[in-house]
This record gives sequence, C-alpha cells and structure tokens, in this order.
Amino acid sequence: ELKVEQNPLFLSMQEGKNYTIYCNYSTTSDRLYWYRQDPGKSLESLFVLLSNGAVKQEGRLMASLDTKARLSTLHITAAVHDLSATYFCAVVILSSGGGADGLTFGKGTHLIIQP
Amino acid sequence: DTGVSQNPRHKITKRGQNVTFRCDPISEHNRLYWYRQTLGQGPEFLTYFQNEAQLEKSRLLSDRFSAERPKGSFSTLEIQRTEQGDSAMYLCASSLVVVYNEQFFGPGTRLTVL
Repeated sequence: ELKVEQNPLFLSMQEGKNYTIYCNYSTTSDRLYWYRQDPGKSLESLFVLLSNGAVKQEGRLMASLDTKARLSTLHITAAVHDLSATYFCAVVILSSGGGADGLTFGKGTHLIIQP
Repeated sequence: DTGVSQNPRHKITKRGQNVTFRCDPISEHNRLYWYRQTLGQGPEFLTYFQNEAQLEKSRLLSDRFSAERPKGSFSTLEIQRTEQGDSAMYLCASSLVVVYNEQFFGPGTRLTVL
C-alpha cells in the first residue's frame, strides 16, 4: 500500500524566512504533485514532478524530487503572508494502460506566515 | 470553460437519507476522479472514470456509494442511507491523459449528515 508522509504537519514562520517541507513516500512512484489549499477552498495545482532530479520553481516556491530516496521537498524562499495555506504532496502509480490512477495524498502541511 | 464545477456546494441531510452530487469536468478532459476529504486530512481517492467507464474503485467506496458517468461528460456520486461518518468534503477532479495527467480539482461539495 502506497503511503505518503509529510512533515512538518504544522509550520508557523515569519515573513522573509526560508523553510522546507518534506514529502516521503513508501513505494516506487511515477509522478509527484504539489497542491495548495486555502481554507474552505479546493486544491490548486502547483507542480508536477516527473523524474528523478526534477526541479521546478514558481516565484518563491521550488519543488524537487529524488526518486531514489522517495523524497520530495517544497522550499519556500523569503516567505510572504500570501503563501499561508495548506500544502499537500500527492503521489501516483501509473496503471498498465499508461493513465494515472487516483492520487495518494499526504496529510498536508498547514503553513502560517506571520508579518 | 472556467474549470471543474460541482453542485451543490453544500448539502445538509439527515441520517438515512440519500444524496446525489454532480460534477462537470473541464470539457476536453476524459478522466474524472472523485475524492473525499475530512477536516485536517488530505483528500482520499474514491473512484475514477475514463470516458464513461469506471476503471477503479477504492475500498473506501462502500456499497452505499455509487458513481456514474453515463455519457462520458458529467458524473454523479450517490450516497444511499447516509451515516454521520459520511460527513466530508467531496471533491471532483478531471484530467487529460497526456504526459502529465495533471488533475484539476473542483470547489467541492460539503456534506453534513445530522
């Protein structure tokens, strides 16, 4: 059974600081996704990581993937209040037909960035 | 097309009643997924369709749950004889089976079972 663990589950930090969220998964996976969720809202896709060593950056967020370690990181640089949200990583195993089955999500990291 | 839409957005029902939710995916997307999210947890996969075919069902999907996608476009999720444990946010997502298969989520239907 595929398991996904995120840490920390809760993070309070000050604006301007850097921090990293970690996502570990238990079995070989084909793709890893990062999503953002604001309170009471749905999930917004941030990054799709397809291969070992993949790195993607958007603004103050950077995601990377190490498939050998079964680890992905989401790094926040010089945090700003608008990045306060819950961040989820999700992993998928491709079916034999090449399509993706359902995503397996971590429990999420609730991030609060204080002025 | 502005994205995945779900109706209703909120549903309050009494235990034992049946409820049905609707999801309209992004128009060109051929895959449609249903997830359930409880407070403080990540979404949990329930089932998915490719066009009108239901290809996988999670063991979370008890016999009281049924999903359809009759014409390969919109989908419905029905819960029969609701229980208080069914209270959750039900999320729908759609994707196009290409390289990334990125899933785009709708706003969700929040179900409260009294």
